[in-house]
Formats: sequence, structure tokens, C-alpha cells
Amino acid sequence: EDQVTQSPEALRLQEGESSSLNCSYTVSGLRGLFWYRQDPGKGPEFLFTLYSAGEEKEKERLKATLTKKESFLHITAPKPEDSATYLCAGAPMATNKLIFGTGTLLAVQP
Amino acid sequence: GAVVSQHPSRVICKSGTSVKIECRSLDFQATTMFWYRQFPKKSLMLMATSNEGSKATYEQGVEKDKFLINHASLTLSTLTVTSAHPEDSSFYICSAHQTGHSNQPQHFGDGTRLSIL
Repeated sequence: EDQVTQSPEALRLQEGESSSLNCSYTVSGLRGLFWYRQDPGKGPEFLFTLYSAGEEKEKERLKATLTKKESFLHITAPKPEDSATYLCAGAPMATNKLIFGTGTLLAVQP
Repeated sequence: GAVVSQHPSRVICKSGTSVKIECRSLDFQATTMFWYRQFPKKSLMLMATSNEGSKATYEQGVEKDKFLINHASLTLSTLTVTSAHPEDSSFYICSAHQTGHSNQPQHFGDGTRLSIL
């Protein structure tokens, strides 16, 4: 069964304190691994897509990486405005569905 | 680009009422749209895949007669929660794929908070 697991469930950081969020997946024939950011009461906002092991993508203070079993979202010197829930999702081959993890709730304190 | 609009953003209604939620792709065509349900502090649960011009595909355990989906054009899908009851209260979110770009990310609306009294 396809499954995506994220850890930790919640993370509290001080402003400037770098850290990483983990997304472990068992998805048949993964055709893409997606990262989204979700603010309270809003829909998910697209951040990155990773297609193959070894791939990395960056956007401002965020960098996403992918291996054959997991993906990491690295946050460098976070700011309070980075506080949100970060969701990862795997896309199985031969389907356009997404399998979402339960998310990591990130709180960055000034 | 790739904006998805969802309306209404919040609905409060009495038990037994039917509620319609609209999902529009504003600047692209979407042959396929998706409807999700999200419980507090939980992830998105796919309810159904909405296909333009054909019947929706429902996930296991989702009642198709309860959650009616219509996708009559390339920019609009609707979800109707029929005879809603308090247990249907939830956050409903739609997303859309740009036609011909299934490897591209799904773009999400801002959700509809449904509260059934």
C-alpha cells in the first residue's frame, strides 16, 4: 500500500535556527514527490517537485532533496513568516493522484 | 498563473440542507480536478477525481450519492453535499491539473469550511 509519513509532527524553532523536515515514502513507481506549504484556513501552496533520487531544488530559505526512500525539506535561518504546515505528497506511477503525508507544523519564534 | 478559486469559503447551515461548492481554474483548462477533505490537524484525504464530461471516480468509502460531483466544463467542477449532517462538517479543498500536464503539480483552492448545525 502506498504510504507517505512525515516527521516530526510539530517543530518549534528559534528565528535563525536551521533544521530539516523528513518525508518517508513507499509509493509504487514514484513519478514525483511534491512539497506544499499550508497556512491555517488556506489550501496548500506548491513549493517543489522532485522527480529522481539525488535531485535538489531551492527557493529562498528552503531546499528540498530526494533519495530513493525519503525526502528532506531543509530550512536555513528560518523567519517567523516561515511558520506553517509543510506537506509532502507522492505521486504513484500510472495515476494522477497524490498520496499526502500528515504534515509537519512548523513554528518559528522571533 | 495556475490560480484555482473555490467558493464559498465558509458555509454554515442546518442539518438536512444540501450545499454546493464550486471550484474554478481561472487561467488554465483543467480536464481533471480533485476533491479532498481535511480534518483538524490531519492531512488531505482524497475523496474523488472529477473528470470533465464524464463521471467522477470516487475513493473507497466515499458515498457517491452523498457527495455529488459535476464537471461540466474545462474550468469548473462542483461538489454538492446532499442532505448534510453534522458529521459532514469539515474543510473541503479542491485542486486542479492543467490539461496535458499531469506531471505538473496540482494547484489548490483555498478551501471551504463547512459547518452543519
